[in-house]
Amino acid sequence: QKEVEQDPGPLSVPEGAIVSLNCTYSNSAFQYFMWYRQYSRKGPELLMYTYSSGNKEDGRFTAQVDKSSKYISLFIRDSQPSDSATYLCAPGSSNTGKLIFGQGTTLQVKP
Amino acid sequence: DTAVSQTPKYLVTQMGNDKSIKCEQNLGHDTMYWYKQDSKKFLKIMFSYNNKELIINETVPNRFSPKSPDKAHLNLHINSLELGDSAVYFCASSQGKDQPQHFGDGTRLSIL
Repeated sequence: QKEVEQDPGPLSVPEGAIVSLNCTYSNSAFQYFMWYRQYSRKGPELLMYTYSSGNKEDGRFTAQVDKSSKYISLFIRDSQPSDSATYLCAPGSSNTGKLIFGQGTTLQVKP
Repeated sequence: DTAVSQTPKYLVTQMGNDKSIKCEQNLGHDTMYWYKQDSKKFLKIMFSYNNKELIINETVPNRFSPKSPDKAHLNLHINSLELGDSAVYFCASSQGKDQPQHFGDGTRLSIL
């Protein structure tokens, strides 16, 4: 079992839809959680990060962490074609200083 | 004014050669990383330096040797390149080991 699991997709939605991207993890030592967006042939770009359970909102993006069930979500409201990319979840441990990346979910937003 | 820059962007070379990849960050961060992203898009940590000290050294062949001449630079030297080394190598930096990491755009290494 991988430490971090993500459905690779692709996930295809119409423009304006609400998108839900999800991750599960197995290591209860993870203390902080990051979401990255990666466009083709580019480096991962930090979208959101949180150090606690609950919700964190930034514009159209909401990150949700449930440490009790080891479940991480990223919601995108009013999705745009420019949101088409691969989304990577990455929980990390302060003890090791390591981020463990999921495989990423490829999102396609159709105009 | 790129925050994390890597050179070269593309590297095509023959098996058995030795090559280096360079990384520089202008964010004032004290921690830098090397990651490898394989063909299935898995991004895996290889090394990390904090203030020029090696703090993460994953199970990586010893043909890979990182070097950090100062806080703003982290280089990766690879000896005796093998076909399996073909991947995209990303450099990243952060202000502290549990802070958000910022990535460069990668070096695409192809071994012939």
